Formats: sequence, structure tokens, C-alpha cells
Amino acid sequence: GAGVSQTPSNKVTEKGKYVELRCDPISGHTALYWYRQSLGQGPEFLIYFQGTGAADDSGLPNDRFFAVRPEGSVSTLKIQRTERGDSAMYLCASSPRTTGELFFGEGSRLTVL
Amino acid sequence: SQKIEQNSEALNIQEGKTATLTCNYTNYSPAYLQWYRQDPGRGPVFLLLIRENEKEKRKERLKVTFDTTLKQSLFHITASQPADSATYLCALERDSNYQLIWGAGTKLIIKP
Repeated sequence: GAGVSQTPSNKVTEKGKYVELRCDPISGHTALYWYRQSLGQGPEFLIYFQGTGAADDSGLPNDRFFAVRPEGSVSTLKIQRTERGDSAMYLCASSPRTTGELFFGEGSRLTVL
Repeated sequence: SQKIEQNSEALNIQEGKTATLTCNYTNYSPAYLQWYRQDPGRGPVFLLLIRENEKEKRKERLKVTFDTTLKQSLFHITASQPADSATYLCALERDSNYQLIWGAGTKLIIKP
């Protein structure tokens, strides 16, 4: 499809496990963003990529969270030793520019039991 | 600290009427303001962007105003339809998208 694709759409895991969430942005979009959204809240910025490099990772809550984008396209958000507080919707967005409209995927709903 | 406020209570509007949603902000000087629509369990969808030097922007039945003196944006949907029911998020942008600050959104319910 032509939109931003995120997999899995739903992930249920146990506390302490490792999780990977994948984002396939719109082809040609150099900017890629990860957000986290809890119920009833707006998206919370996690990390921003421009090309292959993380231009700003100041939103990552702690060192259990890490994200990569090795070839400047697909990105993976990695969460180690998951905690119940990590449960949320993880949203990926891409853009052809550093400003203006963001194109969001449908999100990955993470539930940590 | 930077703060964005949107009505936390759901807004109920009769079909055909104009729905008006409010986005207020403090301690911030945004260059752009964006509005998104979000349906339950889905990602946000971009609607409109307005720049700090623009007073008003229109797109079909949608209209956004931006008052940097009042630090407020209003989002209007005219001739509202039940299909317009969703949560609407505002986001302020300073210099680039990774600095977007989001409101919590207002849930809009259009009753037939």
C-alpha cells in the first residue's frame, strides 16, 4: 500500500520480555517519527530519524527503549525488559520534509501483562 | 512549562450544525499549528495546517483560525455529519516536526 505500515497491529507480552515494533514508511519519506499514545492522551514524542541517523532521541523514556533505521527506510522500535507501564499505542509517522503534515500508520497496540 | 489545552469533555452537536473545537496554549510561540482527526484504535490523520502569520485557513467544510495574541486556535466543522464523529487533536510546531507538542484531543459526537 501507499501508506505507513506498522506491524504487529497488536502485541501482548509478559513483563520482562523483549519486543520489536516495525514501521515501514511511505517510500521517499526521509523523516520518520515514533510516538507513544496512552488512552485519552495526545501522542508523546519518542524519537526522530532524518535518513538513517537518529536526529533526536530525547523522548525515549529510558535505556530500555532503542530504535534503528539502518537503511533509511524501515525502522524498528525495540523495548527490552518490558514493564506494565510500557503498555500503550505506539505510532509511527513519516514525512517528506522536516516540517508540515505527518503521515501516521495505524499503530501497534502493546499490552504488557 | 509548555502546555496545550483542549476540551477534555466530549462535544455533542446536532447533525447539520457547526461544531467548534478549541485549542489553547501557554508559554509557547509556535510557528505552525496542525489539526488531526483520530478514530478509535487508528492513527491520527492530518486535516489542516495554519502558520503563525495566517489568521484563517479553509478546506471544504473545515475552517481553522489562529490567534497568536489570545494563544488560541479554533477548529470549525460546518454542516456537521455523523461521519465527522471522532477525536480531534491539535499540535503546535516550533521549528520542525519532531518538536510537535500535542493536545489530548477533544471527542466530537455528531448526533443524527
